[in-house]
Amino acid sequence: QVQLVESGGGLAQPGKSLRLSCAASGITFSSYAMHWVRQAPAKGLEWVALISYDGTTQFYPDSVKGRFTISRDNSKNILYLQMNSLRADDTAVYFCTRVQCTGGKCYYDHWGQGTLVTVSS
Amino acid sequence: DIQMTQSPSSLSASVGDRVTITCRASQNIYSVLNWYQQKPGEAPKLLIFSVSTLQSGVPARFSGGGSGTDYTLTISSLQPEDFATYYCQQTYRNPWTFGQGTKVEIK
Repeated sequence: QVQLVESGGGLAQPGKSLRLSCAASGITFSSYAMHWVRQAPAKGLEWVALISYDGTTQFYPDSVKGRFTISRDNSKNILYLQMNSLRADDTAVYFCTRVQCTGGKCYYDHWGQGTLVTVSS
Repeated sequence: DIQMTQSPSSLSASVGDRVTITCRASQNIYSVLNWYQQKPGEAPKLLIFSVSTLQSGVPARFSGGGSGTDYTLTISSLQPEDFATYYCQQTYRNPWTFGQGTKVEIK
């Protein structure tokens, strides 16, 4: 059974840092690209970072580029999101997701339960 | 970035009703379109990928269609457990983007 379990969320002051983790089990973690997706309170879903299966490729939207860093440890089956220079508009539930592709078309087939990040002074 | 626009933003319906949600992309996304269901306090759940393929375990009352820029999610007979928010997502081009969501409420 696939499980993705996020941790590391909490309250941070503006300008400070947090590191999120996502522990994966029940999957061959090193075979899959992984993404982080966030959801601000009562808002929709926003993709925030992707990393290739082997960690060699990362990509970010402009809203977090230069502040967030995605990484992974395939020996430990853990995905990370280092968030620096946090801003109030980073307040959200952060989900880790597994990317599955079928016939070249990709989707998120598994999601973690999410971890809440609150940025406030 | 490709903008995804869902309509309506919310709807009220009764158990047994047929419900259709529309998703329009700002450019052709060549059928690389997925649908997710989210209930309050939960993570989103994959319903349909590649326009019309049901994820394992998803009831057959859910169906998807469309092509080009216009896509639909249909629930043939709404059940109590279907009251939720539904999101479309394009994964044709980075950055992958979602629609703003459609909340299906009980009438």
